[in-house]
Amino acid sequence: AQRVTQPEKLLSVFKGAPVELKCNYSYSGSPELFWYVQYSRQRLQLLLRHISRESIKGFTADLNKGETSFHLKKPFAQEEDSAMYYCALHSSSNTGKLIFGQGTTLQVKP
Amino acid sequence: KAGVTQTPRYLIKTRGQQVTLSCSPISGHRSVSWYQQTPGQGLQFLFEYFSETQRNKGNFPGRFSGRQFSNSRSEMNVSTLELGDSALYLCASSLQGTAVFFGEAFFGQGTRLTVV
Repeated sequence: AQRVTQPEKLLSVFKGAPVELKCNYSYSGSPELFWYVQYSRQRLQLLLRHISRESIKGFTADLNKGETSFHLKKPFAQEEDSAMYYCALHSSSNTGKLIFGQGTTLQVKP
Repeated sequence: KAGVTQTPRYLIKTRGQQVTLSCSPISGHRSVSWYQQTPGQGLQFLFEYFSETQRNKGNFPGRFSGRQFSNSRSEMNVSTLELGDSALYLCASSLQGTAVFFGEAFFGQGTRLTVV
């Protein structure tokens, strides 16, 4: 079965601390994985995708096929990073279906 | 360019009624997907339309239906509303032609449906 698991509902850290939001997936083919972010009162938006291997707002994520993980990391958290983060899997080519994890609320305290 | 627009933003309906939600995708985008977002279940895929054809469907009862018009605008309909249908309904559009990789989905702000 195709599934995305985000084990933490809430992650609370202090400003300047490292952050790692965990994401594990279950998929039999070659996965296409994304991180989406939803700031308070804003729409859901793409943060980054594994195929572009880019760093956005200091966040990075590496696809580990052996561990079937796509954890999101940032070395130094900022207060403006506080938001809901969703890991998502594109289930197959040529369709628009995304499978989302349950989401993790990141709370960065001053 | 204009983003994905969903109307109305808020709706209150009574059990047993039906409701229609509308989504206007980004110009040029041919794929429109719908998701239901609730605190308990998170984001769940409802269905996707591409060039007026339903291309994929999630595990929702037949009360949930949709369609897409020739200008790519999409509507979602829920009949015989139940209390459990109260949720934020999100629409997303993407280019999604024949490319292997998905690219990016752009989301609307959602329609908040409350069933009383």
